[in-house]
Amino acid sequence: EAQVTQNPRYLITVTGKKLTVTCSQNMNHEYMSWYRQDPGLGLRQIYYSMNVEVTDKGDVPEGYKVSRKEKRNFPLILESPSPNQTSLYFCASSLSVAGTYNEQFFGPGTRLTVL
Amino acid sequence: GESVGLHLPTLSVQEGDNSIINCAYSNSASDYFIWYKQESGKGPQFIIDIRSNMDKRQGQRVTVLLNKTVKHLSLQIAATQPGDSAVYFCAVQLRSEKLVFGKGTKLTVNP
Repeated sequence: EAQVTQNPRYLITVTGKKLTVTCSQNMNHEYMSWYRQDPGLGLRQIYYSMNVEVTDKGDVPEGYKVSRKEKRNFPLILESPSPNQTSLYFCASSLSVAGTYNEQFFGPGTRLTVL
Repeated sequence: GESVGLHLPTLSVQEGDNSIINCAYSNSASDYFIWYKQESGKGPQFIIDIRSNMDKRQGQRVTVLLNKTVKHLSLQIAATQPGDSAVYFCAVQLRSEKLVFGKGTKLTVNP
């Protein structure tokens, strides 16, 4: 089944304790992206990657890191989480074909609480 | 930068009625305009898209209208069903696949 998977789905942690949220897709998509979703603010892009070893900042990158060593994986790293990073996180992927809209497929989400 | 706004944060309709969800955008250079549906506890799911050189596109029970003159986008759902209850997001695609989302409209379908 074609899908985007994220782990963990739920995480409660404390301020300053490094964590990684994994994202994997099995559709051979070039493009991958991380979003956070907060009440009243909609979905905001954190980082994105056009292909392996190519990453770039989205609208709210502060406090986050990413890496793209393999095409299928795009982990989100919080080196020193803070309470304002409590949010619902989504990973997404798509093909990257020029001249057309490439549907983004979203993972099921990771609900993170930082105490 | 690009901004996308929705006219109403919530919309309540009766089962069987038609629903219309509206959205406004700021950047005239956007190539694609997209609607996503997000059910409770799930990630957003693609519904339909429309290219900037079109003004109407129809799918199964859904129609998207694009008015570039007033920078307005709408999603029409025909014969709304309980399974249509969700949050609906409009989004615009900029270069490099970047999507800018609106804040969402929560659609509630009453039986």
